This record gives sequence, structure tokens and C-alpha cells, in this order.
Amino acid sequence: EDQVTQSPEALRLQEGESSSLNCSYTVSGLRGLFWYRQDPGKGPEFLFTLYSAGEEKEKERLKATLTKKESFLHITAPKPEDSATYLCAVQEGNGNKLVFGAGTILRVKS
Amino acid sequence: DAGITQSPRYKITETGRQVTLMCHQTWSHSYMFWYRQDLGHGLRLIYYSAAADITDKGEVPDGYVVSRSKTENFPLTLESATRSQTSVYFCATGGGRHQPQHFGDGTRLSIL
Repeated sequence: EDQVTQSPEALRLQEGESSSLNCSYTVSGLRGLFWYRQDPGKGPEFLFTLYSAGEEKEKERLKATLTKKESFLHITAPKPEDSATYLCAVQEGNGNKLVFGAGTILRVKS
Repeated sequence: DAGITQSPRYKITETGRQVTLMCHQTWSHSYMFWYRQDLGHGLRLIYYSAAADITDKGEVPDGYVVSRSKTENFPLTLESATRSQTSVYFCATGGGRHQPQHFGDGTRLSIL
């Protein structure tokens, strides 16, 4: 059975304090790993897709990386507006369904 | 360009009642999905549809019914609501090969 585990469950950072969120997964034949951002009262908003080990993608202060067993979302010099819940999800080889982790709640204080 | 719209945004009902949540997309994506989001469980797939008149069960389908007579609409019905179905429900579209899913803003459903 596919499993996705995110850590930590919650993270508090000071503005400018860089850190990383982890997403570890077990899946038979990874088709893609997806990162989403979710603000309170809103649906998840797509950030990145990673397809193969070694791949990296960046967007503003966010950088996602992928290995064969896990993905990291690196946040460089975060700002309060980066506060949100970050979700990762995996899509397995023969299907179109996503399996989500429980998310990491990020709070950035000024 | 609304993209994907869910209605209602909030709903309160009683146990045993039937309730239907609506999802409408303007992108003409083939795939549509229904999830529920609960504390401690994250997003769990209820049902999905690959095209009009094609639907399939997800991880937690019991107590739910879906239909898809038109590509743009994918309603979710709780035939006899139970308190355990109190949750936030999200509809999503897209998700074809190598493609991300895009989500609506959800329906917050409370069953008393």
C-alpha cells in the first residue's frame, strides 16, 4: 500500500530562518511527486511536480528536491506570508490517483 | 475564469438527510476527484471519474454516491448523512499523466 509521511507535523520559524520540510514515501513505480500549499479556508494550491530522483525545482523562496525515498521542500529566508500548510502527494505508475501526506503546518513569525 | 467551483461553501444538516455537494469545472478536464479532509488524516480520496459516465471508488467510498453525466459536473451525494461524514470536502480536476490536480475551495459540511 502506498504511504506518504510528512515531517514535522508543525514548524515555527522566525522570519529569515531557513529550514526544510520532509516527505517520505513508499510507492510501486513513482509517476510523480507533487507539492501543494494550502491556506486556511482554501483548497490546496499546486506548487511543484517532481518526476525522478535528482530533480530539483524552485519558485521564489521554495526549492523542492527528490530522492528515491523522499522529497524535501527547502524554504530560504521565509516571510510571514509563507505561513501555510504544505502537502505532498504521490502518483503511482499506473494510476492517476494521488495519495497525500497529512501535511506540515508552517508558521513564520516576524 | 472560475476554473473549478464548489457549492455550497457551507452546509449544516441533520443525520439521515440526503445532501448533495456540487462541483463544476470550466476547463474540460477529463478527470475529476472528490476528497475529504479531516484532522489527522489529510486528504482522502472518496471517488473519482476519468470521463463522463465513468466513475470509480477511492479510499473511503462508503456512504457516498457520485454521478457524471456531463464532463463539467461531478456531484457528490450523501444518501443518508451520518455524523462521521462531518468534514471538509474538496473537488479537484486534472491529474492526467504527469499532470497536477487543481482544487476547488471546498465545502465545509456539518452533520448534527
